[in-house]
Amino acid sequence: DIVMTQSPDSLAVSLGERATINCKSSQTVLDSLNKDYVAWYQQKPGQPPKLLIYWASTRESGVPDRFSGSGSGTDFILTISSLQAEDVAVYYCHQYYSIPWTFGQGTKVEIK
Amino acid sequence: QVQLQESGPGLVKPSGTLSLTCTVSGASISSSYWWSWVRQPPGKGLEWIGEIFRSGSTNYNPSLKSRVTISIDTSKNQFSLKLNSVTAADTAIYYCVRDRAHDYWGQGTLVTVSS
Repeated sequence: DIVMTQSPDSLAVSLGERATINCKSSQTVLDSLNKDYVAWYQQKPGQPPKLLIYWASTRESGVPDRFSGSGSGTDFILTISSLQAEDVAVYYCHQYYSIPWTFGQGTKVEIK
Repeated sequence: QVQLQESGPGLVKPSGTLSLTCTVSGASISSSYWWSWVRQPPGKGLEWIGEIFRSGSTNYNPSLKSRVTISIDTSKNQFSLKLNSVTAADTAIYYCVRDRAHDYWGQGTLVTVSS
């Protein structure tokens, strides 16, 4: 199984500041067509996860442009450029390169 | 607008079988997407259970493979999950999801395993 390890487990950021979440896969999730099979989700309490980013850096329709994804191979980053109050949530990375699809353990983002 | 809705018993006895159905609206389950089940124990992370394609082809998480069956009913635009020999460790919110980059999720249904 590919293990997805997120860091940190939690972070507190001031409103308007940048939040950065890291995700490392135990093996590459980059295919021969240069696509990284990584997605990022946001989960608020009592709600299902919401897709933010797929193919490591493609923003899902309707997702604010303050959310961006980067990285390739085994190292990936989700950046919230200017944290808003509504961004308080748990964020998960996910690989869909190799079965079984696996998720990171989650990173809780709070307001400082 | 694509919507997925889970349904099924919220309480299952230990050693019994968990059965859930996902009804899809706003999209055809016969389209070229894989349809998955994902679960989340209360307060914990996400675990992919398995997936099915319109043809009936399936893939399962090896950790659950011996106990899981996922099926599809294209005439009803539904797909289903059966998990047998359940224990308290199977208590979780169960989500049905579209596509491998899970773009649409149901609201989830809490299934508790308890006598």
